[in-house]
Amino acid sequence: GDSVTQMEGPVTLSEEAFLTINCTYTATGYPSLFWYVQYPGEGLQLLLKATKADDKGSNKGFEATYRKETTSFHLEKGSVQVSDSAVYFCALSSGGGADGLTFGKGTHLIIQP
Amino acid sequence: NAGVTQTPKFQVLKTGQSMTLQCAQDMNHEYMSWYRQDPGMGLRLIHYSVGAGITDQGEVPNGYNVSRSTTEDFPLRLLSAAPSQTSVYFCASSASSGNQETQYFGPGTRLLVL
Repeated sequence: GDSVTQMEGPVTLSEEAFLTINCTYTATGYPSLFWYVQYPGEGLQLLLKATKADDKGSNKGFEATYRKETTSFHLEKGSVQVSDSAVYFCALSSGGGADGLTFGKGTHLIIQP
Repeated sequence: NAGVTQTPKFQVLKTGQSMTLQCAQDMNHEYMSWYRQDPGMGLRLIHYSVGAGITDQGEVPNGYNVSRSTTEDFPLRLLSAAPSQTSVYFCASSASSGNQETQYFGPGTRLLVL
């Protein structure tokens, strides 16, 4: 079955540091890949997505590139802010959206001023 | 648009009690799903629906029941609550065409079973 593996946290960085959160996946066919973010006490919000190989998703300074050859979708940001503190989930969809998403376990990111 | 709404926000149950978690969306989405979120486990799919009258099981369906009588509503029923069902429950919806793989999530229901 499908699965997503992401680095577990917590990941603690200082403000303005470079961020990488690793994500790799196993899936049949050609899944779409997502990063969702969850701020404390809230639901999940879509951060970015990519639907085919070599696509780059980007939003709010975050980027991730769909790498089929390494089955990866690592999340990066050049300079993090305290407001980026949240839990980040990597996810995939291989059923065209009808049967939900497969999520990784989440990475708790803490940015210190 | 209210998006995806869930009620209640928080609920305490005793073992063996039943209850229904409500979920509604006003985006005219065909696809709806229920997930549970547990520490260190990410989100796991409980049940999903591809349209009114059609539901199917996800990864962890045991102890839960769903129905989809309208496009807008997708309630989740706990038939006989157990402490193992203590979790945060999220409902999500997505379109059946166009941007159909992007799921929109509700704010969640935090459930404690004693």
